[in-house]
Amino acid sequence: AQRVTQPEKLLSVFKGAPVELKCNYSYSGSPELFWYVQYSRQRLQLLLRHISRESIKGFTADLNKGETSFHLKKPFAQEEDSAMYYCALRKSNTGKLIFGQGTTLQVKP
Amino acid sequence: EAGVVQSPRYKIIEKKQPVAFWCNPISGHNTLYWYLQNLGQGPELLIRYENEEAVDDSQLPKDRFSAERLKGVDSTLKIQPAELGDSAVYLCASSSISGTGTYEQYFGPGTRLTVT
Repeated sequence: AQRVTQPEKLLSVFKGAPVELKCNYSYSGSPELFWYVQYSRQRLQLLLRHISRESIKGFTADLNKGETSFHLKKPFAQEEDSAMYYCALRKSNTGKLIFGQGTTLQVKP
Repeated sequence: EAGVVQSPRYKIIEKKQPVAFWCNPISGHNTLYWYLQNLGQGPELLIRYENEEAVDDSQLPKDRFSAERLKGVDSTLKIQPAELGDSAVYLCASSSISGTGTYEQYFGPGTRLTVT
């Protein structure tokens, strides 16, 4: 069965500290992995996707097929990074997204 | 561009009453999704439309939920009758196939339903 697991409900760090939001997945095929973010009072929006291998707002994520992980990292957290982060898996050739439960990132001043 | 539009934003009803949610996707997006998001959980797909056709409704509780997308643009999701457990946020999203074959989904603000 396809599943996305985000083990931490809440991650609290101080400004300037490194951040790693964990995501593990279960999928038998070749998945596409995404990170979505929801800032306070805003709609859910795409942050980054693994196939683009891009850095958005200083965040990066590497797909590790051996460990079936797609952790989101940022070397120096900023207060404006405080938000809810969702890891999601898209089944090949379909639009269906399977989301994890989400991790709240709280960056303290 | 207003993005995906949903209405109403909030709805409070008594159990056993009917309720309907409306979604207007981004212009030109042929794929429309309805998601259910329970408190403290990630969104879960209820139904996906490709134009007018429901291509994945396996997670839609068909005894009380129904959806339609006439003319392949706007969509309505209905619950009849509502139950206490239906209290959640209902999200609509839309997408089109990009040049790379990916489907970036754009989400609406959601409708928060409270059933009392």
